[in-house]
Amino acid sequence: GIQVEQSPPDLILQEGANSTLRCNFSDSVNNLQWFHQNPWGQLINLFYIPSGTKQNGRLSATTVATERYSLLYISSSQTTDSGVYFCAALYSGGGADGLTFGKGTHLIIQP
Amino acid sequence: EAGVTQSPTHLIKTRGQQATLRCSPISGHTSVYWYQQALGLGLQFLLWYDEGEERNRGNFPPRFSGRQFPNYSSELNVNALELEDSALYLCASSFFGRGPSEAFFGQGTRLTVV
Repeated sequence: GIQVEQSPPDLILQEGANSTLRCNFSDSVNNLQWFHQNPWGQLINLFYIPSGTKQNGRLSATTVATERYSLLYISSSQTTDSGVYFCAALYSGGGADGLTFGKGTHLIIQP
Repeated sequence: EAGVTQSPTHLIKTRGQQATLRCSPISGHTSVYWYQQALGLGLQFLLWYDEGEERNRGNFPPRFSGRQFPNYSSELNVNALELEDSALYLCASSFFGRGPSEAFFGQGTRLTVV
């Protein structure tokens, strides 16, 4: 199956800083999603981005499918941005395994 | 529009018992996925149902099973519970059709086996 790797595993920043989270995937995909897991465990959809660039407020994401990576940008970080960010990919050769998740980036924003 | 709903929110069972977890997908979605997230770990794919059929399962023993009903809701059953089955179980739904669409997750069921 497809392999999904996220970096960095942990990131500690001061409020107001910008950050870039990376997601590498091992094969071609037809679904790439970014999620934020809140302290209660729920996965919040951030972006559905198999290719291209999208922006939503202070967050934006870019997926370069031909080079098999995706980036999540967080600008002007706030303490409420803290949590675990997951990237998940669906192999384009068949959806049999569902979305495959990376291990996540644990982001801590300090006041 | 209602999102993906899971029940119960919390479940406490004794080792050896059976647990049943339920998931209602977003209206119009035909696919339901189940994932297990043990404490501090990532999400592991358990099962995928689409149009009432099991499409695939992850690397889990047969005591993890489930089904999808005609209204596309789904049940996950875990038999002969073991302590290591304690985890957050997340359900997601999407519309598959001619290809996958964006998946949305429920709030999860936290299963504790004692």
